[in-house]
Amino acid sequence: KNEVEQSPQNLTAQEGEFITINCSYSVGISALHWLQQHPGGGIVSLFMLSSGKKKHGRLIATINIQEKHSSLHITASHPRDSAVYICAVGDRDDKIIFGKGTRLHILP
Amino acid sequence: DVKVTQSSRYLVKRTGEKVFLECVQDMDHENMFWYRQDPGLGLRLIYFSYDVKMKEKGDIPEGYSVSREKKERFSLILESASTNQTSMYLCASRPPKKTYEQYFGPGTRLTVT
Repeated sequence: KNEVEQSPQNLTAQEGEFITINCSYSVGISALHWLQQHPGGGIVSLFMLSSGKKKHGRLIATINIQEKHSSLHITASHPRDSAVYICAVGDRDDKIIFGKGTRLHILP
Repeated sequence: DVKVTQSSRYLVKRTGEKVFLECVQDMDHENMFWYRQDPGLGLRLIYFSYDVKMKEKGDIPEGYSVSREKKERFSLILESASTNQTSMYLCASRPPKKTYEQYFGPGTRLTVT
């Protein structure tokens, strides 16, 4: 059974800090997703990756397939980055398994 | 832009009522999903559908049923609502290829009293 573990569960930081959220999974995957959920519920997809690194603005996602690990980085964090960040993996049977999320709070 | 809409953002129902949650997507996606999200448990799959009139149980189907009569619409039905079904319900859709991303609706926060 594939497990998806995220760390930390909660993170509070000052505006401008460099943020790292980690995700580990236990079995082979077809793709890994990073999702963002703001208060109010809506979820948006930030990244989908199966190898290497992707960058979008101040957000960077990396994945190490051998180590079964991914990180989401936020540079120059801002209060509007405050949200829940969710890691999800698509396994080889086409099922998506979600981590429990990391609640990020950026203080002004 | 892909749009996934859900019929209600907030819903309050009484124990024993039959509840319908509707989800509509406008991108002709084959795959649609219903999840519930609870604090400390994350997103859990209730049911999914790969095509019209097809449905598959997810991880927690008990107490729920679904209907997919048209490709764009996927309905979640609580046959007899109970207080432990108070939750945030999220619908998602996706093209058939597994490496494509899912698109989520805004969610329905259901309270059963």
